[in-house]
Amino acid sequence: DAGITQSPRHKVTETGTPVTLRCHQTENHRYMYWYRQDPGHGLRLIHYSYGVKDTDKGEVSDGYSVSRSKTEDFLLTLESATSSQTSVYFCAISEISGRALDTQYFGPGTRLTVL
Amino acid sequence: GDSVTQMEGPVTLSEEAFLTINCTYTATGYPSLFWYVQYPGEGLQLLLKATKADDKGSNKGFEATYRKETTSFHLEKGSVQVSDSAVYFCALSDRADSWGKFQFGAGTQVVVTP
Repeated sequence: DAGITQSPRHKVTETGTPVTLRCHQTENHRYMYWYRQDPGHGLRLIHYSYGVKDTDKGEVSDGYSVSRSKTEDFLLTLESATSSQTSVYFCAISEISGRALDTQYFGPGTRLTVL
Repeated sequence: GDSVTQMEGPVTLSEEAFLTINCTYTATGYPSLFWYVQYPGEGLQLLLKATKADDKGSNKGFEATYRKETTSFHLEKGSVQVSDSAVYFCALSDRADSWGKFQFGAGTQVVVTP
């Protein structure tokens, strides 16, 4: 199994509070991703990173920010959490192989509830 | 842009039945194709992959063949078990489009009954 951990694994917070989720990898992969998964919506990309300090937006980036100061860590921050951000959040990593991105490996997920 | 379409679920079948989950894609380049499986309460796990046309990926009795002519990557298993109950996702990565991103299908829930 790829070495990916997410913390916390579960969190309950209140509307308006800031929340930071952490993804840590031990594989030295260049690409890191944050997704959210909701019933009826499948996986949706929030932000991704293609190197230290290099990040880009995904399809549902509003209300989220990210930072990557080290290869192994990718942080997702909800500046002011809302109930619509209640979801399961997955981190993933990947690396280039030949002409395309190779397999994405996923972390175990963080279940976030915003009351 | 690139996209993946897979059949809607849930798919319900009896143990030892044959399973097929259809997946078709659109891509501007030469994508790599993947099937992932997600068991309840867990993250996605790679099931199998294929990186070029006519390649067959296989794992745990599951198979899928990369068909460029029909832009398809259908997942099959000859005899399912209750333990195969899960959600299955088809996905692609394509250097020519959306570089750095993967495209996922919506997922197909499979329920296998004893």
